Amino acid sequence: GAVVSQHPSRVICKSGTSVKIECRSLDFQATTMFWYRQFPKQSLMLMATSNEGSKATYEQGVEKDKFLINHASLTLSTLTVTSAHPEDSSFYICSAPLAGGRIEQFFGPGTRLTVL
Amino acid sequence: QKEVEQNSGPLSVPEGAIASLNCTYSDRVSQSFFWYRQYSGKSPELIMSIYSNGDKEDGRFTAQLNKASQYVSLLIRDSQPSDSATYLCAVKPVDSSYKLIFGSGTRLLVRP
Repeated sequence: GAVVSQHPSRVICKSGTSVKIECRSLDFQATTMFWYRQFPKQSLMLMATSNEGSKATYEQGVEKDKFLINHASLTLSTLTVTSAHPEDSSFYICSAPLAGGRIEQFFGPGTRLTVL
Repeated sequence: QKEVEQNSGPLSVPEGAIASLNCTYSDRVSQSFFWYRQYSGKSPELIMSIYSNGDKEDGRFTAQLNKASQYVSLLIRDSQPSDSATYLCAVKPVDSSYKLIFGSGTRLLVRP
């Protein structure tokens, strides 16, 4: 399968700080990437669709000013959690479908965010 | 009604048995279906995709699709303790996006 990386894998920060998470497609170009959040023992929740060269599309209930998404190139999307609070502590995972009409999505390894 | 439904489990089977995981979906015109495996603390891993009615086999895994019944299943033969994980069913709606709709997952426990 295709390879998607995320950085960092784990981050611990103080309340009020901003955290940037990177998602990279390593061996293919991704015009679209997805950002998910998963709380312990809960299902995946789609937060937003990241689109290369245009604004992200956010799911209902997700604050776009709090979760800033930038898709700067065909291989990189970033999610910035601004002014993080303890309730933002979660497992953040990105995914990308292969290009060329393929629709299988491949997930990055995830970033575990802990806000103190 | 949820768009993609799965029994949360846990489904407990003895080692060597067949594990049967089921998923129903609400959008009758959906065409693409996926099974992901997620180990605790890890991200989901794609294990099967199926697009046509019938069975699709890959090693110990068989995906079964019945569009008339809006039902997709995953069979795991000769279950191993290493198969213990949460299995997520995902359906792609018929639209222009790549977005997938995920079920909440079924937790599988394979007893040694």
